[in-house]
Amino acid sequence: GESVGLHLPTLSVQEGDNSIINCAYSNSASDYFIWYKQESGKGPQFIIDIRSNMDKRQGQRVTVLLNKTVKHLSLQIAATQPGDSAVYFCAENRDQGGKLIFGQGTELSVKP
Amino acid sequence: DTAVSQTPKYLVTQMGNDKSIKCEQNLGHDTMYWYKQDSKKFLKIMFSYNNKELIINETVPNRFSPKSPDKAHLNLHINSLELGDSAVYFCASSQPTSGRWEQYFGPGTRLTVT
Repeated sequence: GESVGLHLPTLSVQEGDNSIINCAYSNSASDYFIWYKQESGKGPQFIIDIRSNMDKRQGQRVTVLLNKTVKHLSLQIAATQPGDSAVYFCAENRDQGGKLIFGQGTELSVKP
Repeated sequence: DTAVSQTPKYLVTQMGNDKSIKCEQNLGHDTMYWYKQDSKKFLKIMFSYNNKELIINETVPNRFSPKSPDKAHLNLHINSLELGDSAVYFCASSQPTSGRWEQYFGPGTRLTVT
């Protein structure tokens, strides 16, 4: 029969707090990483990306950190707002054909 | 202006039918993709076309056939639909520059096979 599926990891934060969403990637040869935000009923929306020759990149209220030693990626959202509630995906690029491999996703819930 | 559009947004059909999903992008990108997102939100690439040429073809049943009439369009035809094909299908496009592969996604097509 069908196995019971796993629920998405969830992160619940208070409005105004900082959020940190973590992601482990699998291939040490991946050279490009990207974070997407997916709101309910919509397609994934680009947030921020980083190449493997960097370990930190900042955007507006968001920061991505890359630790290649332990193959770990994180997304930090400052002053989290209710509009940040969504599922967040990390993705890695495995080859030059733009083949993005997506992680499991984390559901962020922001409490007002 | 919608950057990446898909039609239809919802598609309900019976097992064994054949259906198509259409995708158009007005970003001038050379590369387009099809992804499948299952009920657990897992997002997996199916196909990629660059300037009408197939460059990524993942392990997908051959009942799925992409077609790219021009670089702004990438359609997905599915034959003999099965229950397990029920999912949300996303089209995306990109124009890789300097090793960046930022992809722009469409709104998705929710396919339900009964």
